[in-house]
Amino acid sequence: QQQVKQSPQSLIVQKGGIPIINCAYENTAFDYFPWYQQFPGKGPALLIAIRPDVSEKKEGRFTISFNKSAKQFSLHIMDSQPGDSATYFCAASMNRDDKIIFGKGTRLHILP
Amino acid sequence: KAGVTQTPRYLIKTRGQQVTLSCSPISGHRSVSWYQQTPGQGLQFLFEYFSETQRNKGNFPGRFSGRQFSNSRSEMNVSTLELGDSALYLCASRLSNTEAFFGQGTRLTVV
Repeated sequence: QQQVKQSPQSLIVQKGGIPIINCAYENTAFDYFPWYQQFPGKGPALLIAIRPDVSEKKEGRFTISFNKSAKQFSLHIMDSQPGDSATYFCAASMNRDDKIIFGKGTRLHILP
Repeated sequence: KAGVTQTPRYLIKTRGQQVTLSCSPISGHRSVSWYQQTPGQGLQFLFEYFSETQRNKGNFPGRFSGRQFSNSRSEMNVSTLELGDSALYLCASRLSNTEAFFGQGTRLTVV
């Protein structure tokens, strides 16, 4: 119930391609869905976040798509660059004050 | 402004020992959370402190404990270390109802 399932575990995409990372959850009490980006040797940093009353949110080249009925959400990276190579975590919490439940992460590599 | 600072960055301990990790949150942030990151389990929530009180707790054994001081700095203690406690321990701070900012973590190796 408290899990967030993330796929794929790893992803390799050519520069300019659109990597897509998918996540699913069970607990309908979750109402805040952030995505974090983590580079080696660094802590996770918030990339973009969405609430379930919105079906899509864009910030620069990053887009979250949210399907409330299916309890699924995904991250798309437009015009991906080698500098986007990192580990991406989807997450969920009951509100921004609550603990964050993370997916297992996707290691993304963008080929130059 | 300065980010979340965790010390030390790296630590090697022997099984059975205990360890204390430190986290200084961003100035003005009163909430501090701790997470354990391992390759197999990913990021798992340990506990959260707000105004010196534990507000939330994850599913970790009692060997894992924490505290928060009046200046919002937090410490995490692990007693009777096991090999499986080897991990990156991350601290995150935030203002009420805002995003969490993570530190760079403390890499703990238990041998």
